[in-house]
Amino acid sequence: RKEVEQDPGPFNVPEGATVAFNCTYSNSASQSFFWYRQDCRKEPKLLMSVYSSGNEDGRFTAQLNRASQYISLLIRDSKLSDSATYLCVVNPGGGFQKLVFGTGTRLLVSP
Amino acid sequence: DGGITQSPKYLFRKEGQNVTLSCEQNLNHDAMYWYRQDPGQGLRLIYYSQIVNDFQKGDIAEGYSVSREKKESFPLTVTSAQKNPTAFYLCASSIVGQGVNQPQHFGDGTRLSIL
Repeated sequence: RKEVEQDPGPFNVPEGATVAFNCTYSNSASQSFFWYRQDCRKEPKLLMSVYSSGNEDGRFTAQLNRASQYISLLIRDSKLSDSATYLCVVNPGGGFQKLVFGTGTRLLVSP
Repeated sequence: DGGITQSPKYLFRKEGQNVTLSCEQNLNHDAMYWYRQDPGQGLRLIYYSQIVNDFQKGDIAEGYSVSREKKESFPLTVTSAQKNPTAFYLCASSIVGQGVNQPQHFGDGTRLSIL
């Protein structure tokens, strides 16, 4: 089983739609969680950290479910500029900030 | 502007040649990392360094070498022993802090191809 698993997509949605991605992780001792965004042929950029109580940043909401070992990202009112690949990233623990990256979920927002 | 600078953006390697990718950061981060990304795959860790003059192998270190003589700099050498070097190479840095969400911040990458 992969340490971090994501549905590769693509998710095709119209502008204004709400879309949600899930990501599962295998190590129950995982300590910290992030969502990154990666545009085609560019570097990953931090979108948001994911906190135990869930957190929101504008149109983006992240949730963590430790019991079921998954994190989610909800995007409301999708914009054309949201088209990108969203990477689920997990720190599996072990005392150092070593991150494990999912292969990403591709989102395509159309007019 | 604080950030991470990678150079060159594009690099071509001949058979049997070693090439070095540069990574410099002015974020005052202690930890630095090198990743490789192949099409359709996630990032894979090559080497990382928590502190100057110390570094550790990641998951795919064979055929690569690094040095960390200065806090700001973490160059990666792709040696001739790396038989499949064509990939997108990403350098990252972070604060070192246990028990705290410490994300990594990336440079804009180097694309390496074989001639």
